Amino acid sequence: DTEVTQTPKHLVMGMTNKKSLKCEQHMGHRAMYWYKQKAKKPPELMFVYSYEKLSINESVPSRFSPECPNSSLLNLHLHALQPEDSALYLCASSPRGSGRAKDEQFFGPGTRLTVL
Amino acid sequence: AQSVTQLGSHVSVSEGALVLLRCNYSSSVPPYLFWYVQYPNQGLQLLLKYTSAATLVKGINGFEAEFKKSETSFHLTKPSAHMSDAAEYFCAASNSGNTPLVFGKGTRLSVIA
Repeated sequence: DTEVTQTPKHLVMGMTNKKSLKCEQHMGHRAMYWYKQKAKKPPELMFVYSYEKLSINESVPSRFSPECPNSSLLNLHLHALQPEDSALYLCASSPRGSGRAKDEQFFGPGTRLTVL
Repeated sequence: AQSVTQLGSHVSVSEGALVLLRCNYSSSVPPYLFWYVQYPNQGLQLLLKYTSAATLVKGINGFEAEFKKSETSFHLTKPSAHMSDAAEYFCAASNSGNTPLVFGKGTRLSVIA
């Protein structure tokens, strides 16, 4: 298995809802990432997990809460989002810990989130 | 801090013509460099990467890129464009250590029949 999977593919939620995004990889990668991508923009890094520990949090609002239950799974819990949080949320993984700068990142297809 | 500049937010070429997408990095220490492609409503896919081995790097789908330290550049080329090459292309750089991958703003490639 050489891919990163993300569910759901699309998500529409209200500002008072609680929802979660899921990301999974079975490549044995030890670093996993969440990115937010707005239309016609590059991905913006949100969080990095290295060996299942949070290593980078790019000053993301607390309404986004990441979780890494095991080395294959990464979740992003969403609560009380704002309409401006609507975006494509991408998950990625890389083989070794996040300090290995020469490792490429493998991206999932993303979850298209719309906040009403 | 590292920055990546992609000259031209939109490039349009005719089918069969040369594709040239430009990327320049800012650091005095050559970083690791990557080109990713993103098709509509999809994630990013790695085209190729430079990790200080050969300066001419060959990637998937007939793309290649040449690392030029003197010009701090890593431009992406393909000899003959195909309609299926129409997509968004991102150049990215990373330095040693626990620093995030830095993306350029992207270049949208259109291929005209």
